[in-house]
Amino acid sequence: EVQLLESGGGLVQPGGSLRLSCVASGFTFSDHYMDWVRQAPGKGLEWVARVRNKARSFTTEYAASVKGRFTISRDDSKNSLYLQMNTLKTEDTAVYYCARGGSDSSHYHYVAYWGQGTLVTVSS
Amino acid sequence: DIQMTQSPSSLSASVGDRVTITCRASQDIGYHLAWFQQKPGKAPKSLIYAASSLQSGVPSKFSGSGSGTDFTLTISSLQPEDFATYYCQHYNTYPLTFGGGTKVDIK
Repeated sequence: EVQLLESGGGLVQPGGSLRLSCVASGFTFSDHYMDWVRQAPGKGLEWVARVRNKARSFTTEYAASVKGRFTISRDDSKNSLYLQMNTLKTEDTAVYYCARGGSDSSHYHYVAYWGQGTLVTVSS
Repeated sequence: DIQMTQSPSSLSASVGDRVTITCRASQDIGYHLAWFQQKPGKAPKSLIYAASSLQSGVPSKFSGSGSGTDFTLTISSLQPEDFATYYCQHYNTYPLTFGGGTKVDIK
């Protein structure tokens, strides 16, 4: 069974930093692309970042709203995904979900499995 | 960026009803479209990828269709556990973007 367990959320002041972690189990972590997706209170879903697997050189993609402030990374030896969040803004307040990718027949990668999420609150 | 527009934004339906939700992309995304279900206070759940392929473990009452810019999610016979918010998302290019969601509640 695929399991994704996020941690690291909490209350932080504007301008501060936070590091989210996600530990994966139930699948071969190193094979898969991984994503962070967030959801502001009462709002819809927003894709944040993606890190590809070793075969794709661990390259990354970001939403414009977080590029230059957030860094996604992974440690395949620990089956772990991370999101380093710097220069946080009040609009970054959201539940952050770790997600595992899947690959369709044309090798495009979609979001296949979700963790339970961790709440980040940016407020003074 | 590709904009994803869902309609309706909400609907009321009865148990046993057939429900269809529409998702339109602002440009051609081929069949690189996924659907998700989210219940209040819970994480989203993946239902469909590649426009019409069921994610493992998802019941066959869910089906998806479409390609290019127009897509639909159909629930063949609505059950109490299906009342939720449904989102589409394209994964054709970056950034990946979601539709605004369709809330399905009880009539």
